[in-house]
Amino acid sequence: AQSVTQLGSHVSVSEGALVLLRCNYSSSVPPYLFWYVQYPNQGLQLLLKYTSAATLVKGINGFEAEFKKSETSFHLTKPSAHMSDAAEYFCAVSGSGNTGKLIFGQGTTLQVKP
Amino acid sequence: DARVTQTPRHKVTEMGQEVTMRCQPILGHNTVFWYRQTMMQGLELLAYFRNRAPLDDSGMPKDRFSAEMPDATLATLKIQPSEPRDSAVYFCASGPRGNTEAFFGQGTRLTVV
Repeated sequence: AQSVTQLGSHVSVSEGALVLLRCNYSSSVPPYLFWYVQYPNQGLQLLLKYTSAATLVKGINGFEAEFKKSETSFHLTKPSAHMSDAAEYFCAVSGSGNTGKLIFGQGTTLQVKP
Repeated sequence: DARVTQTPRHKVTEMGQEVTMRCQPILGHNTVFWYRQTMMQGLELLAYFRNRAPLDDSGMPKDRFSAEMPDATLATLKIQPSEPRDSAVYFCASGPRGNTEAFFGQGTRLTVV
């Protein structure tokens, strides 16, 4: 079984500041891990994914995440926040290969202040 | 530009009525997911299919909800009878073999009055 916990339902940063969104996972099999972004009234868009290759994963819009097995974490970072990054972010996990369903965390709303 | 298409985008219906939501997955994808999103519960997985066969529908209220894939290009989610607590945004997503990612549609915003 898989599950995801996102720490902090709301995160507020100033424009230009570091963005850090936290995600911890639980999985009984080697996981695939994902970060998705949702803008208002839109569907979810994939930011990046970890599928057992490099542990540091780079995604779109300057985001990256690092898979840390010892900490069961997959935190999302961006060095410098932009106003357009304001959105809701979801971490998700699935079983590797062709095995599992995609399970989402509760989401973190990112606010970017001018 | 391949994308998941959901219809309708918005639906307002009266309590007790049947609601059918449709999804056209990306051509060639063999996995289809149905999610419900609400403020209180977040994103809940209702059901998912692989190669048109239901793999897990444990998140779906069986008495009123049903999900099917009549063919590889169409997935449906039905609610009968609908209730106000079903008001939510329903997302369909499809994924390629290997579970490497899921692509989401724009969602159907359902309001049951």
